[in-house]
This record gives sequence, structure tokens and C-alpha cells, in this order.
Amino acid sequence: DAGITQSPRHKVTETGTPVTLRCHQTENHRYMYWYRQDPGHGLRLIHYSYGVKDTDKGEVSDGYSVSRSKTEDFLLTLESATSSQTSVYFCAISESDQPQHFGDGTRLSIL
Amino acid sequence: SQQGEEDPQALSIQEGENATMNCSYKTSINNLQWYRQNSGRGLVHLILIRSNEREKHSGRLRVTLDTSKKSSSLLITASRAADTASYFCATDAGTGGFKTIFGAGTRLFVKA
Repeated sequence: DAGITQSPRHKVTETGTPVTLRCHQTENHRYMYWYRQDPGHGLRLIHYSYGVKDTDKGEVSDGYSVSRSKTEDFLLTLESATSSQTSVYFCAISESDQPQHFGDGTRLSIL
Repeated sequence: SQQGEEDPQALSIQEGENATMNCSYKTSINNLQWYRQNSGRGLVHLILIRSNEREKHSGRLRVTLDTSKKSSSLLITASRAADTASYFCATDAGTGGFKTIFGAGTRLFVKA
């Protein structure tokens, strides 16, 4: 939807390994976001970007880093994955205070 | 901490009935939004209501906002089985910009 692609869609990995999730947009929107969704918590903001090379922390940023070297790509990295990072990760894009458009998520399991 | 909290957490109704979901929030806002999520998919924006608006309609959706009570409601009229989904309210928490804080959602099940 809205030209957002998340990859991979599913991933299983082991504790302590690095993991990178990719979000790619074709809408040329300025803002990009990474959320995690867990039962009972709704969506919680991990990091967001307000332009190329401009990023900031969200509510649950510990253990995650991001990079945005191009307008269309926003990468989320788990440097050393832990079981508590098992979740469904969503990328979203928007322009300023306009509604966000979401990708279909990446289901990440860390064993 | 969550800005918006939906009530009820789950709702089961018959097709044709109306569904009402409520959202309460804690801090001042500039706008409040409602999103829908079908199982296994991302969220889809339904409607945005600004702090100076009291009611807004979109098709079978009606949203109200009471800033004095810090609450909003989403009414879906004449529900259909296809309305089965989770519904989330989201606010800007007064940031006036792009950061959005989501509640935990209401799971709606519409029985055919």
C-alpha cells in the first residue's frame, strides 16, 4: 500500500546475531518511521527520520539503530538481537502532520 | 507510555448493528486519528479530527472528539463482516507535527 515495501517479511534468527530490516518507499515522503507491535501494547515508536541522515529516537529505541542514506530507504538494525526483540515491525511514511501510511510488516522471531 | 487507550479491548456484534469504540488520551493534542488493521496487515488510516472539531463523518464512520474530557469515539454504523479488524486511535500528543502515539486498540468482530 502507498508504495511501501518491507523486507524481509518473515525472519527467524538466533540471539546475538545482527539483523537488518529494510523499508523502501516510492512516494518521496519526507518522514519515515519504525514501530514494533506487541500484544497489549499497540504500536510503539522505535526511531523515526525527518530527512536524509536525520533521525531521532522514539519511545523504545534501546537496542536498535537506524540509517537513512537515501530518501526512499530507512534501515532498522538490531546489533545483537535478543529474545525480547521478537515482534512484528512496521514501517510507515508520512508528510509532516499528514496521516501515516504503513507497510505490511516484518515478523521477526529471535530464538 | 501510551497516549491513547481504547475501550473496550474487544467487541463482538452482529452484522447490521452499530459498533462504538472509545479512546481516552492524557495530554493536549492538535489532532486525533483512527486507524484500522486487518489481521496480518499494516494499519490503514480512516479519519483525522482536529482539536477544534467536535464531529466528523466519513461514509459509515462517525468520529467525535471531546477535548475537555480528553476522549474520542468511533462509531461504525450498519456494520458488516468485512469491518472485522482492530481499530486504533492515535494522537500527536501536542507535538503539532509528525510524531504519532498509538493506543493498544479495540478488536472488533462482526458476526455474519
